[in-house]
Amino acid sequence: AQSVAQPEDQVNVAEGNPLTVKCTYSVSGNPYLFWYVQYPNRGLQFLLKYITGDNLVKGSYGFEAEFNKSQTSFHLKKPSALVSDSALYFCALYNFNKFYFGSGTKLNVKP
Amino acid sequence: DTEVTQTPKHLVMGMTNKKSLKCEQHMGHRAMYWYKQKAKKPPELMFVYSYEKLSINESVPSRFSPECPNSSLLNLHLHALQPEDSALYLCASSQALGVGQSNQPQHFGDGTRLSIL
Repeated sequence: AQSVAQPEDQVNVAEGNPLTVKCTYSVSGNPYLFWYVQYPNRGLQFLLKYITGDNLVKGSYGFEAEFNKSQTSFHLKKPSALVSDSALYFCALYNFNKFYFGSGTKLNVKP
Repeated sequence: DTEVTQTPKHLVMGMTNKKSLKCEQHMGHRAMYWYKQKAKKPPELMFVYSYEKLSINESVPSRFSPECPNSSLLNLHLHALQPEDSALYLCASSQALGVGQSNQPQHFGDGTRLSIL
């Protein structure tokens, strides 16, 4: 069975500091992993994806994610957080024509 | 602005009403999806259409009836809904389903916020 876990309901970080939002996955076969962000009253916006290749994936708005096969993780990172990054973040796994979403992590960036 | 357009943005209906949600995309995508999302929860897949044919139905109650009249449009017909059906309904599209399409992200609309009285 496939699944995605986001162990933190909420992450708090000060503006200018680095941020990490954690994601772990379970799948048989190759993982196809995605990060999405959702702002209030909006749909989900695609940030980045890992399919194959480099373990460090760069995406939109300065975000990047590190794929670690041995730890089955795909953590989202940003070197310097902005207040405008405050939103709900979802990790997702694609398998057999479906996207499996994690439970979401609320990121709060304080000035 | 999103490339997937959903109307209406808000809908309030009684339990005996019939209404429809609409979704439109002009990106040439051949896979379209309906999701239900409760507050601060992940989207729950309801239906998937591939090349205008229903591909996946996640055991959704029959009071929800999807329709894909052409490659750009996706409807969700609602009838006799329950208060627990109140949620944000999201439409999404991607290039296609199947082998070789696993690297294609979904594009989401901003949703219809549905309230059942």
